[in-house]
Amino acid sequence: DAKTTQPTSMDCAEGRAANLPCNHSTISGNEYVYWYRQIHSQGPQYIIHGLKNNETNEMASLIITEDRKSSTLILPHATLRDTAVYYCIVKGYQLIWGAGTKLIIKP
Amino acid sequence: ETGVTQSPTHLIKTRGQQVTLRCSSQSGHNTVSWYQQALGQGPQFIFQYYREEENGRGNFPPRFSGLQFPNYSSELNVNALELDDSALYLCASSLEGFTDTQYFGPGTRLTVL
Repeated sequence: DAKTTQPTSMDCAEGRAANLPCNHSTISGNEYVYWYRQIHSQGPQYIIHGLKNNETNEMASLIITEDRKSSTLILPHATLRDTAVYYCIVKGYQLIWGAGTKLIIKP
Repeated sequence: ETGVTQSPTHLIKTRGQQVTLRCSSQSGHNTVSWYQQALGQGPQFIFQYYREEENGRGNFPPRFSGLQFPNYSSELNVNALELDDSALYLCASSLEGFTDTQYFGPGTRLTVL
């Protein structure tokens, strides 16, 4: 079973920040949090990952709480092309995927 | 630097047949993982190949088998196809084993009639 819990769907206005939450209360100390997204049956696209510190790259920022039981993916200025299913994954021996969050960016 | 490629893009087979799907890993990557994604669900791990050896397997029957070649490309073979095998099959490559980030190809859509 997936070790993460995400909302089924979210909306965000174009140009605003999209904040996607994820709960991973059973995460172990050496397990990373990974985020991928999948645009309509294409291959998943890697976004970002982190262990305990906040991370930022050209696509997004990842905020991990101090107790590591939850995290938030932030897309700073969402565009229509960011509409996708976003998966939060706790990476141990393998990637175990849940159902993800369907993010819809509205004009 | 080329990304992960998969072939064919789409495939239609009938129940009982056998199928081979192919994956070329990203340049410099020696590890390939295969996933099955049914409609509306997240991907499910099938197995991983690291330096030509199977390096981990998910909950899939033995009729799902694989191979990795010296150039680190890989094949997924499925025998005795069942209707439930209809899915998007994804290949991901990573630099070294389980610890590194996996980068996915576009997938092969398999339909079993």
